[in-house]
Amino acid sequence: GDSVTQKQGQVTLSEDDFLFINCTYSTTTYPTLFWYVQYPGQGPQLLLKVTTANNKGISRGFEATYDKGTTSFHLQKASVQESDSAVYFCALVRTGNYKYVFGAGTRLKVIA
Amino acid sequence: EAAVTQSPRSKVAVTGGKVTLSCHQTNNHDYMYWYRQDTGHGLRLIHYSYVADSTEKGDIPDGYKASRPSQENFSLILELASLSQTAVYFCASSDDISGNTLYFGEGSRLIVV
Repeated sequence: GDSVTQKQGQVTLSEDDFLFINCTYSTTTYPTLFWYVQYPGQGPQLLLKVTTANNKGISRGFEATYDKGTTSFHLQKASVQESDSAVYFCALVRTGNYKYVFGAGTRLKVIA
Repeated sequence: EAAVTQSPRSKVAVTGGKVTLSCHQTNNHDYMYWYRQDTGHGLRLIHYSYVADSTEKGDIPDGYKASRPSQENFSLILELASLSQTAVYFCASSDDISGNTLYFGEGSRLIVV
């Protein structure tokens, strides 16, 4: 079946550090890929989305590139702020399907 | 602004008791979902629905029932709550027009004692 793997359970950075969160996926189709962010006490919300048509998503300083060759969708940000502290989920949805497959999430802690 | 509201936001239930978690959306979305969040497991799909009066099993449906009486409302029912069902539950909605983007509620924290 489809799967999404986030190897990093927690990442701790200082402000202005570079952020890299690893995400790899496995599926038999070309899915739509998502990053959701969950701030403390809230539900997850969409951070960015990438389809096979556009390959790269950019939002609020974050970016992720859809790499079909390595089946990866890593999340990056050049300079993190304390306000970026949250849990980040990678996810996929098959074309024509409504069922999401989520990764386990990566908790980001940014120290001022 | 899309809106999904859940109630109750927090509940303590007794083992063996019945629990109903309610969800209301004003997005006019066809699809609604119930997810469970546990540390280390991310979000796991319990039940979902794509039309009123019809529900589908997700990946972890055992011990849960769902009800979709209208497009706007979707409930999750635990007939006999167990300790293992202690978790945070999220409702979400989506549709084709939003590009399958999920809009989540704020979550319902359930503690079974």
